[in-house]
Amino acid sequence: AQKITQTQPGMFVQEKEAVTLDCTYDTSDQSYGLFWYKQPSSGEMIFLIYQGSYDEQNATEGRYSLNFQKARKSANLVISASQLGDSAMYFCAMREAGAGSYQLTFGKGTKLSVIP
Amino acid sequence: ETGVTQSPTHLIKTRGQQVTLRCSSQSGHNTVSWYQQALGQGPQFIFQYYREEENGRGNFPPRFSGLQFPNYSSELNVNALELDDSALYLCASSLARGHPNTEAFFGQGTRLTVV
Repeated sequence: AQKITQTQPGMFVQEKEAVTLDCTYDTSDQSYGLFWYKQPSSGEMIFLIYQGSYDEQNATEGRYSLNFQKARKSANLVISASQLGDSAMYFCAMREAGAGSYQLTFGKGTKLSVIP
Repeated sequence: ETGVTQSPTHLIKTRGQQVTLRCSSQSGHNTVSWYQQALGQGPQFIFQYYREEENGRGNFPPRFSGLQFPNYSSELNVNALELDDSALYLCASSLARGHPNTEAFFGQGTRLTVV
């Protein structure tokens, strides 16, 4: 079974509107972390936001917020007031405490296109 | 900018050759991980180095090997290159290996093309 599932290969959003990118995950660990990264065409993975499995509040970082629903094992990224510069690939990733090397496991990504 | 630098940025190699990719981690970071990102896919974990020792490995054959140096910079070596090795190779450094919330800072990647 896939550990990280991103079901939206591509999304379009109008500039200044909000958009939600979906992510579901699968783990039996109690302690884990969920990350969202942005990857522009240049290739660099840019960290956006983090949510810990024990965090009771949803994480927020500026225009980014994470809608964390632990029972449903979902960690959706919400981008408010979209800007043209938000056009990029977005990856959801998980780090599990039970994995000895603490590697990040990534989903396949969602390509976001912001329309003027 | 994350402070993680990778070289070279682009590389073209012939099938069967060997390649070495380099990564300078962010200052103070003692853990380096390498990922392979094929076109249209998410990054796949290759291995991680912590204090100069391999600390974990993904599902990659032994012809993928690495090193970490005392200054925590790292190399990824790939022998006997195959066409499927064509990908973006990403290096990520982090302060510590040991906690789920440890943020990883990525470099800009090396785009390897095998012909």
